[in-house]
Amino acid sequence: AQSVTQLDSQVPVFEEAPVELRCNYSSSVSVYLFWYVQYPNQGLQLLLKYLSGSTLVKGINGFEAEFNKSQTSFHLRKPSVHISDTAEYFCAVSDRGGGSNYKLTFGKGTLLTVNP
Amino acid sequence: GAVVSQHPSRVICKSGTSVKIECRSLDFQATTMFWYRQFPKQSLMLMATSNEGSKATYEQGVEKDKFLINHASLTLSTLTVTSAHPEDSSFYICSARGGGSYEQFFGPGTRLTVL
Repeated sequence: AQSVTQLDSQVPVFEEAPVELRCNYSSSVSVYLFWYVQYPNQGLQLLLKYLSGSTLVKGINGFEAEFNKSQTSFHLRKPSVHISDTAEYFCAVSDRGGGSNYKLTFGKGTLLTVNP
Repeated sequence: GAVVSQHPSRVICKSGTSVKIECRSLDFQATTMFWYRQFPKQSLMLMATSNEGSKATYEQGVEKDKFLINHASLTLSTLTVTSAHPEDSSFYICSARGGGSYEQFFGPGTRLTVL
């Protein structure tokens, strides 16, 4: 079984400030890691993913995340946020083996609000 | 990129009626489709997983007789909410995965309101 914990339900920041959204996971098997963004009344858009290799992954819209195996974390960062980054962000994991059809387990989400 | 559509985007119905939601993969063959439910300000809850041509696998606590899932082709899955009640009001999101791929592509969601 897998679980994902997003430590902050809401993160308010000012425009152009840096931001970090935290994500920790628990799994008995090796996993793939994902961050998704959801704008109001829309589906999910993939920001970035970690499959293997370099632990620092870069995604769309200037976001990046670092996989830390020892701390079982996959925190999302952006050095300078824009008003348009205001959205809900979900961290998710799936097992690598594919036996579960690569089902995703989601965290509860973090609402990022960027204020002018 | 891979595109998944959902129809309708919004539906309002009376209590007791049935509602069908379609999920289509527009530019790839979806061997597996997933149906999620999302309550306001909450995360996505997986309801069921369906493989083309097979019966859907429902998550614990999801009533399979109430939420009928059909995945009859490699590009179409449908979710039918039977005898809908106000507590079924929610945002329903589907996703699709192609054979051999780990990645899911999400539809834009369907807002169901049951009066």
